[in-house]
Formats: sequence, C-alpha cells, structure tokens
Amino acid sequence: GENVEQHPSTLSVQEGDSAVIKCTYSDSASNYFPWYKQELGKGPQLIIDIRSNVGEKKDQRIAVTLNKTAKHFSLHITETQPEDSAVYFCAAEGGVNTGGFKTIFGAGTRLFVKA
Amino acid sequence: SAVISQKPSRDICQRGTSLTIQCQVDSQVTMMFWYRQQPGQSLTLIATANQGSEATYESGFVIDKFPISRPNLTFSTLTVSNMSPEDSSIYLCSVVPGGLENTIYFGEGSWLTVV
Repeated sequence: GENVEQHPSTLSVQEGDSAVIKCTYSDSASNYFPWYKQELGKGPQLIIDIRSNVGEKKDQRIAVTLNKTAKHFSLHITETQPEDSAVYFCAAEGGVNTGGFKTIFGAGTRLFVKA
Repeated sequence: SAVISQKPSRDICQRGTSLTIQCQVDSQVTMMFWYRQQPGQSLTLIATANQGSEATYESGFVIDKFPISRPNLTFSTLTVSNMSPEDSSIYLCSVVPGGLENTIYFGEGSWLTVV
C-alpha cells in the first residue's frame, strides 16, 4: 500500500528564517497532497494542499511544491514566526493501492521557531 | 469546509470501562472517519463510519473493541471498550464534505487517559 515518509522529524529555526519539510510517497497514483498543522491540544488543521495537476501552490508565507516524477512534495514556510511552532503532517490520498478513499499521513515534523 | 464538534474533549477513564465519543458535523458530509493519535505519534485510521451500515475497520482494529455508529450524514459515535492504559490516545473524528472536495477536515479530538 501507500507509504509516506516525512523529514525531518524535528526542525528548529530562528524567527524570520525559512523552514522546509519534505515528504515522499510510494503510490504513483496518489493525486492529492494536503498539509496539516497541529498545535498542542488541538486537532490537525489543514493549511495548504496541492493536486497532482499543478507543481506549486502558494498562500502568503506558505508554499507547497510537488514533483510527481520523483514522488516527493515539500512544504516551505518563509519568514517564520513563533506562532508557526507546531507539528506539521504531510499526507497523500487517491492512490489506487489504498483500497479506496484513504489518506496516508507522514510521521510528522515538530517545528520550533526561536524568537 | 465543515465544523466538527467532538465530545468529550478530554476524559480520564478507569481501566476496564468503556467510553463513547460523539462527533457532530454542521452539515451533511459524504464520509466520516475515526483516527487514533497516540502520544507523539502520527494519525492512524481506525475505521470508516458508514451511514446506516457497519463501519469498515482497518487492519488491527476490530468492532468489538471500537464499535462505531453513524445513524445519519452528520453524526457518528466511537466507543472505546474495555479500556486499558494502552488506549490512552487522542481520538479524532474527521470528515470529507463530498462533491468536488475530497479534503479531510478534523475535529479537535478527544483526549483519553486510562488509569
């Protein structure tokens, strides 16, 4: 079945710097890639997503890139702020090997933004 | 999107007891899921809650331990039966609104501690 690997597991950056989180997936049929932010004590919140018919999507300080050939996608956060500190999860969905509708999540990246 | 309400948000449970978690959505949705998130871990799908029929369980999860109901398109319950300390986790209700939108949205989760 689908497998999603996420790196790094922990990332510490200085406020104002950029942060990049990378994910790879195994099922070439996957066609939808959401990213979630989970703050302490809360449920995961969708922050951005990308579909397989585009290579890049941007929303203010957040951008996601997708390389279908290499089967990897990345989250880019620019001008990081302390409130960006959270756990970020990537996910892949839509692959035929997932047995129907099923979203497979990466292991998560804990981002620390130091003021 | 969808607004998802979960109850209880947090509970401390005695070993051997059962607890039912409720999930209410503010609009009719195509699909509802239940996830488990163990401390510091990623999201693991327990089952798909099917309206009017038995839930579809993932490998490693069984109906006797995690009975699920979904009487209509806006409500579902998950029961964690005969709890042990290993069941201490966050349990998350999630939905896919349907139509052209296959994004998964999460509730805030139910934090269960079994003592």
